Order: sequence, then structure tokens, then C-alpha cells
Amino acid sequence: DQQVKQNSPSLSVQEGRISILNCDYTNSMFDYFLWYKKYPAEGPTFLISISSIKDKNEDGRFTVFLNKSAKHLSLHIVPSQPGDSAVYFCAAQHFNAGGTSYGKLTFGQGTILTVHP
Amino acid sequence: DGGITQSPKYLFRKEGQNVTLSCEQNLNHDAMYWYRQDPGQGLRLIYYSQIVNDFQKGDIAEGYSVSREKKESFPLTVTSAQKNPTAFYLCASSMDHRQGIGQPQHFGDGTRLSIL
Repeated sequence: DQQVKQNSPSLSVQEGRISILNCDYTNSMFDYFLWYKKYPAEGPTFLISISSIKDKNEDGRFTVFLNKSAKHLSLHIVPSQPGDSAVYFCAAQHFNAGGTSYGKLTFGQGTILTVHP
Repeated sequence: DGGITQSPKYLFRKEGQNVTLSCEQNLNHDAMYWYRQDPGQGLRLIYYSQIVNDFQKGDIAEGYSVSREKKESFPLTVTSAQKNPTAFYLCASSMDHRQGIGQPQHFGDGTRLSIL
């Protein structure tokens, strides 16, 4: 049961243009969403996050949009740079309404972004 | 520099052997996690620990064991019962999420385990 899906295995973009990475989820209990960037043989690096009470969060060249009704989030990178080439994972988190919560992350499969000079 | 240190970077296991992967953090984080990544897949949770001397099974705990005797350390043992241990193992930590606020997890650089 894939609760978080990244349907595009790869994305190729020209330097300076916008990169848009997409993510869909099925569990309506998710209330915190994150994007990670990962280079080969390294651990993921946290990029940006968004709470379910917001629809947009921006940090420099990175903006995450959340559409709760569509259960969809996207990461926009503007302008794209060759150093952005990496695997991007979206992840979702859920806090138990009963008060005993844990920070389990459910990850998508990842999208390989290639930014061409 | 604060961070998460995983060792060794590469590890080889013989048939029937248990191996232990180390994870140490100096971020003063309460919660720690172990994930497994297989080629072309996302990360899957093996075990997690919210506090010292407490840990819980994740989605794929069979064939693995952990301990959390110190806040800074969360070692993972891959036992001989794990029939497909070849993977990239990632340790992560985060601040106390029981406040009900989303907290990002921060990852180490991983250990690649292979079968001899």
C-alpha cells in the first residue's frame, strides 16, 4: 500500500528554468510534509517542509505547495542549477490524535532530477 | 559540528552472521530512527525510538534488533534471520515530536551492507 507516490521517476530541466516535482498521497491523516534531496551514497538532506494548515511555504529558490483537497504536493525550484541534480524524496508524517505520536516518515519512491547546463 | 555519524560506511556479512551498524548523534535529539533503502525505492522504517530505553518496530522490523541505552546512540543489528539484508541503511534523528509539531528528521550518510 503505497501511501505516498512520486509518479515521475525522472525529470530533466535546463539550467535557469523551473523544476516542478510532484507527489501524491492517499492518507488524509498526514499533517506534515517534507522534501528531501539525496546524492548517491549519502543520506537525504532536509530541504523544506509544510504543515497541513498551510498551502505554501517558500525558502529561497524552493517553494512547496500543498493541495489538501487533491492530496497533492509539489516542489518548485526556481531557477534550477546543475548542483540541484539529485534524487528528491517527498515524505509525509502523521500525528496520532490520541496524543501518543511518533515522527514516522512515509516516503515516496523518489524522482531523479537532472539539470543540464 | 553537530550531526549524525554512521559506521562503517561499507559492511559485508557472511551467511549466518549477525552484524551491527553504529549510529551516533550529537544533536541532543530525543528520537532516532533506522531506515532501509533498496534500489529504486523510497526509505522504509525498520525501528524507531522516541526516548532512551524505549523503541518500537517499524514497517519491516523482522530480522533486525536495536537497543537505546544512551540518548546519543541507536545501534542496529542485522541478524541471520534477515534473509535479504543487502541494502543501504540510514539512521536519522529528530527533536521530540510528541509536542505535536512536525519535526524534520536529519540523516546520517548511511551504511551499505552486502552479502559475501
